[in-house]
Amino acid sequence: DAGITQSPRHKVTETGTPVTLRCHQTENHRYMYWYRQDPGHGLRLIHYSYGVKDTDKGEVSDGYSVSRSKTEDFLLTLESATSSQTSVYFCAIPGISGYTFGSGTRLTVV
Amino acid sequence: TQLLEQSPQFLSIQEGENLTVYCNSSSVFSSLQWYRQEPGEGPVLLVTVVTGGEVKKLKRLTFQFGDARKDSSLHITAAQPGDTGLYLCAGASSGGSNYKLTFGKGTLLTVNP
Repeated sequence: DAGITQSPRHKVTETGTPVTLRCHQTENHRYMYWYRQDPGHGLRLIHYSYGVKDTDKGEVSDGYSVSRSKTEDFLLTLESATSSQTSVYFCAIPGISGYTFGSGTRLTVV
Repeated sequence: TQLLEQSPQFLSIQEGENLTVYCNSSSVFSSLQWYRQEPGEGPVLLVTVVTGGEVKKLKRLTFQFGDARKDSSLHITAAQPGDTGLYLCAGASSGGSNYKLTFGKGTLLTVNP
């Protein structure tokens, strides 16, 4: 299986604080993606990257920023967390015929 | 924006029953993927169908891609409790160097012993 890990697995944070989630891959893939998963909404793309320092917005990018300074790491930052950003966040990389997902980060904003 | 509609949203059946999950869109996709997700984990790829009309079998699971490449179905024969999970379909659109998936909202399947 492709090596993709997310950290932390769980986080509780207060409204208004910044939060950074990390995705690390060992497959040297150009593309990396951040999704959020919410009941009734499925998986929605937040941001994606197509190379070091090359990123683009997805369908729900407001309130989020990303950075990719190395091929293996893709960081997702909530500049000022809000309760509406309570969700499960998944990172993914493309494989030969589909995506490989990380195990997710469950983020709770209180 | 491309949309994928999955149905049903929830399905609870007894062990041994058959079931079909549908994934429909008004858009054409270059390929259609099916994933299964278990609680606390990320989705895991089951199959990818690429050609219109294609049928793929994975043990008791049969996947079909519509002739027009706008819809797909997943049929499970003689469901078992181990089949319980969230089933997601995802359509791939490709253009240039981009590669993005559009996901359906999922079908939560519960197979009762």
